Amino acid sequence: EAQVTQNPRYLITVTGKKLTVTCSQNMNHEYMSWYRQDPGLGLRQIYYSMNVEVTDKGDVPEGYKVSRKEKRNFPLILESPSPNQTSLYFCASSYGGATNEQFFGPGTRLTVL
Amino acid sequence: GENVEQHPSTLSVQEGDSAVIKCTYSDSASNYFPWYKQELGKRPQLIIDIRSNVGEKKDQRIAVTLNKTAKHFSLHITETQPEDSAVYFCAASIHQAGTALIFGKGTTLSVSS
Repeated sequence: EAQVTQNPRYLITVTGKKLTVTCSQNMNHEYMSWYRQDPGLGLRQIYYSMNVEVTDKGDVPEGYKVSRKEKRNFPLILESPSPNQTSLYFCASSYGGATNEQFFGPGTRLTVL
Repeated sequence: GENVEQHPSTLSVQEGDSAVIKCTYSDSASNYFPWYKQELGKRPQLIIDIRSNVGEKKDQRIAVTLNKTAKHFSLHITETQPEDSAVYFCAASIHQAGTALIFGKGTTLSVSS
């Protein structure tokens, strides 16, 4: 089954404790991206990647890191999480770039205390 | 960079009525305009998209129109049904390498029977 998976789905952590949210797709998509969703602010792009070893900043990259060492995986790293990073995070992938249908993962609900 | 404004933020209609959601974008180079639907607790899913070489596109009860001169595009839903209740997001992107996808803040549509 073609899908985008994220782990964990729910996470409660404390300020400053490094964490990684994994994202994996099995559709051989070149383009992958991370969004955060906050009430009243919609979906804001954090980072995106056009292919392996190619990443770029989105609208809200501060406090986040990403890597793309394999085509299928695009982990999101919070080196020192802060309460303002409490949010719902979505990973997405697509064939060919941002101008094709984005397939979203199920989301990760992160709470930073 | 690109900025996408979406209106209204909430919309309530009676079953069977039409609903219209409008978006404006700032970058005249944008050439891809998708609409995503997000049901409560679910991931966003593409419902329709339009490219800048087309003025209108329809898919059953859903249509999207694009006015490149005015830099705005709209989602039209006819004969609304309770299952159309969801949050709808518009977005804009530019077809070139390394481009981002910019979303509007979303419209919560409620269809009452």
